[in-house]
Amino acid sequence: GAVVSQHPSWVICKSGTSVKIECRSLDFQATTMFWYRQFPKQSLMLMATSNEGSKATYEQGVEKDKFLINHASLTLSTLTVTSAHPEDSSFYICSARDQRYNEQFFGPGTRLTVL
Amino acid sequence: AQTVTQSQPEMSVQEAETVTLSCTYDTSESDYYLFWYKQPPSRQMILVIRQEAYKQQNATENRFSVNFQKAAKSFSLKISDSQLGDAAMYFCAQDPYNTDKLIFGTGTRLQVFP
Repeated sequence: GAVVSQHPSWVICKSGTSVKIECRSLDFQATTMFWYRQFPKQSLMLMATSNEGSKATYEQGVEKDKFLINHASLTLSTLTVTSAHPEDSSFYICSARDQRYNEQFFGPGTRLTVL
Repeated sequence: AQTVTQSQPEMSVQEAETVTLSCTYDTSESDYYLFWYKQPPSRQMILVIRQEAYKQQNATENRFSVNFQKAAKSFSLKISDSQLGDAAMYFCAQDPYNTDKLIFGTGTRLQVFP
C-alpha cells in the first residue's frame, strides 16, 4: 500500500511556543489530506481538511488560528500548533487517499507534549 | 447527526477462537461507507475491512468479515481463528458523505490470550 509519513514522531515543547508537524505522502500525490487528533485512550477526532493550494477547512469547534494548516505541495501538509499550551498535548494523525488503491492511508502519528 | 457507537470498551478471545466486535451508527444518508480500522500499540492505523452501504453482501477479508445490517444500522466485525497479532484497538468508522472525512467510534481494545 501507499506510505504516509509524519515528522517528528514525538515532540516536547514549552508552553507558549509553536510547533510544526509535517505530513508527507511518499509515493503518491494528495490534493487533500486530513488531520485528526487522538486523546489518550480515546477516539480520533477530525480537526481539519487540508487542501492543496487553498485554505484548509476546519471542523466545528477547532480554532483555525490555533491550528494553522498549510498544504503547499501535492505531497506535503503541515500543521502548526501556535502558542501551545498543555491542553494541546495529544496525538496528531494525518491521512490521505491514494487513488491507486482507492483507500485512505494514515501516517504513524505525532505525539505532542506541551510542558 | 452522524455518530458511531462501540459499546464494548474491551474484549478478549483465546487464540484460534472467534470474536465479534459490535458497532452501531447513525446517519440520514442512504449511500455511505463503513470501516473497521486496527490500531496496534505502534498507533499506526490500518484498514481491516470496509463496506459500501449500497452493497448488500457482507464484506470479507481473509479471517475478517462483517455483519452489515443496514436497517438496524449495525456493523459488527467478526475475527475468526484469532491470532496473537490481532491484539489491538479496533475502531469502527463511517464516511457518511463519501468525502474521506471519517467519524470514528470510541474503540474496542481486543486482547488475545494464548
